[in-house]
Amino acid sequence: SQQGEEDPQALSIQEGENATMNCSYKTSINNLQWYRQNSGRGLVHLILIRSNEREKHSGRLRVTLDTSKKSSSLLITASRAADTASYFCATDDGGGADGLTFGKGTHLIIQP
Amino acid sequence: EADIYQTPRYLVIGTGKKITLECSQTMGHDKMYWYQQDPGMELHLIHYSYGVNSTEKGDLSSESTVSRIRTEHFPLTLESARPSHTSQYLCASGGKDTQYFGPGTRLTVL
Repeated sequence: SQQGEEDPQALSIQEGENATMNCSYKTSINNLQWYRQNSGRGLVHLILIRSNEREKHSGRLRVTLDTSKKSSSLLITASRAADTASYFCATDDGGGADGLTFGKGTHLIIQP
Repeated sequence: EADIYQTPRYLVIGTGKKITLECSQTMGHDKMYWYQQDPGMELHLIHYSYGVNSTEKGDLSSESTVSRIRTEHFPLTLESARPSHTSQYLCASGGKDTQYFGPGTRLTVL
């Protein structure tokens, strides 16, 4: 069953602007991760935030987590054309199957 | 770039053929995973392994099978491919904190 759901499904902004994507999930989690997928490629891990953390930074990335609302946001500041990709949130709900549960992703287009 | 490889990258075959998708990693990870992803959609876990001789089914039921004879190698096999198997198959290794993905195999069954 789908756990994470990203919003918006697609986002197009100008280079230099900030991009914000949101993720909502349904069950309690151990951690939440964000991945990037360039067209036709595999996923690349961007950042992990644990359930007891509220905010985390990595370079131009800022992730927040609100466990009471079961939601997370990914902010990319000063966007670049190379940031064009699909972004997925993934949750570890500590369940029996040892993989992650992914949302449908947000397709981000950065226009030069 | 992660040290995890998948071959072939693209495969177009006819119905009824047996196929094997290869996945190998050089990072020494015990845990490996297969995900299935339709275009523009989320990834679904179909198989995973804790290590050599360990294979488990994931959340999404799949007619494919996997084997884990060596730590670095986690192939996926479809005994008789059907058009409903058309999808992208992504292999990953690592753990629940970080997973490293291969480039994927895009399978089309005619």
